[in-house]
Amino acid sequence: GDSVTQMEGPVTLSEEAFLTINCTYTATGYPSLFWYVQYPGEGLQLLLKATKADDKGSNKGFEATYRKETTSFHLEKGSVQVSDSAVYFCALSEGGSYIPTFGRGTSLIVHP
Amino acid sequence: EAGVAQSPRYKIIEKRQSVAFWCNPISGHATLYWYQQILGQGPKLLIQFQNNGVVDDSQLPKDRFSAERLKGVDSTLKIQPAKLEDSAVYLCASSFGDRGNTIYFGEGSWLTVV
Repeated sequence: GDSVTQMEGPVTLSEEAFLTINCTYTATGYPSLFWYVQYPGEGLQLLLKATKADDKGSNKGFEATYRKETTSFHLEKGSVQVSDSAVYFCALSEGGSYIPTFGRGTSLIVHP
Repeated sequence: EAGVAQSPRYKIIEKRQSVAFWCNPISGHATLYWYQQILGQGPKLLIQFQNNGVVDDSQLPKDRFSAERLKGVDSTLKIQPAKLEDSAVYLCASSFGDRGNTIYFGEGSWLTVV
């Protein structure tokens, strides 16, 4: 079935460092792709999404581009803050359903 | 706007006991989901409701798990009897519809089975 694989964490960075969290997917059709974030003590929140190839999703300084040729949707941010410390989940859904199938999550820890 | 409400937030039970979790979705959201998140894994969809009907329960272990949404609003997820491997966070989520709509998650109910 459809699935996503994301890099294991934790990812530990200093404030203002560049962030990349890798995510690749396996799908039979044309999925929609998502990044969700879970801040400590809070529920999962949709961070950004892309629904077709070459789309770029962006929000709060985070970006990810839907790359069909490499089946990837890597999350990037140019300068992380301590407040970005959270668990990040890559996810996909079948077509337009938006019902996510999640990866295992990657913990990000940002030090001052 | 109020978010997805879940209770209880934390529950510890012994194996073979029963437990029930409650969820109140965002007002007006017709679609409701229950996910199970085991430590170190991503959330897994257990069941999806559209109003008071079940759309997908293919991942629900029906020998011990049950869920209902009788009036198409609140939902209850029950586990009976619980096993050690049911220790997880149970996430409720809702959306306006089941296609092309953002899904909003509650904070989750943490279950520990000892």
